Amino acid sequence: DTEVTQTPKHLVMGMTNKKSLKCEQHMGHRAMYWYKQKAKKPPELMFVYSYEKLSINESVPSRFSPECPNSSLLNLHLHALQPEDSALYLCASSQNRGTEAFFGQGTRLTVV
Amino acid sequence: KNQVEQSPQSLIILEGKNCTLQCNYTVSPFSNLRWYKQDTGRGPVSLTIMTFSENTKSNGRYTATLDADTKQSSLHITASQLSDSASYICVAWGNFGNEKLTFGTGTRLTIIP
Repeated sequence: DTEVTQTPKHLVMGMTNKKSLKCEQHMGHRAMYWYKQKAKKPPELMFVYSYEKLSINESVPSRFSPECPNSSLLNLHLHALQPEDSALYLCASSQNRGTEAFFGQGTRLTVV
Repeated sequence: KNQVEQSPQSLIILEGKNCTLQCNYTVSPFSNLRWYKQDTGRGPVSLTIMTFSENTKSNGRYTATLDADTKQSSLHITASQLSDSASYICVAWGNFGNEKLTFGTGTRLTIIP
């Protein structure tokens, strides 16, 4: 199993809503990542978890809150988002930081 | 400052033809370089990963080269297919305190019949 599974595939939410993005991998990878990607731009790193601990937060606004309940799961909790937060949110995992990263198919988020 | 630059920005070729995409990076210390294929609205899919000691690596019709001295990489696609239409992203990984992925802005490849 070399898959990183993200749910939902699409999400439309209002600016007052609270929602969560989910990411799951069963490859035994110990590093997991959240990226944000705007159209025609490369992915931008948001958070890195290493061995279930947050190791990097790229100065992401607090309306994005990551959570790593266990080594296979990574969540991104969303609250009070802005329309400019609309983007493709990508989850990735790797054996360790620096080894090959596998990406999920992404969640297309639209904030209205 | 870590940077990855790709050229061309976009490329259109006929089905069956070959093409080469270029990548220059300034990531130091450097550990490895990756090429990803990304379809619109989908997650990137890894094509190759090369460490600084590797010069070439193939994956089917994709062949990547790396020159760590000149900090250049290329991705050669042979006998292109319509399904090769996608963005191709070059990504460099640093080392020794510079452990982060630096993404290029990608080359948008379109294959026409």
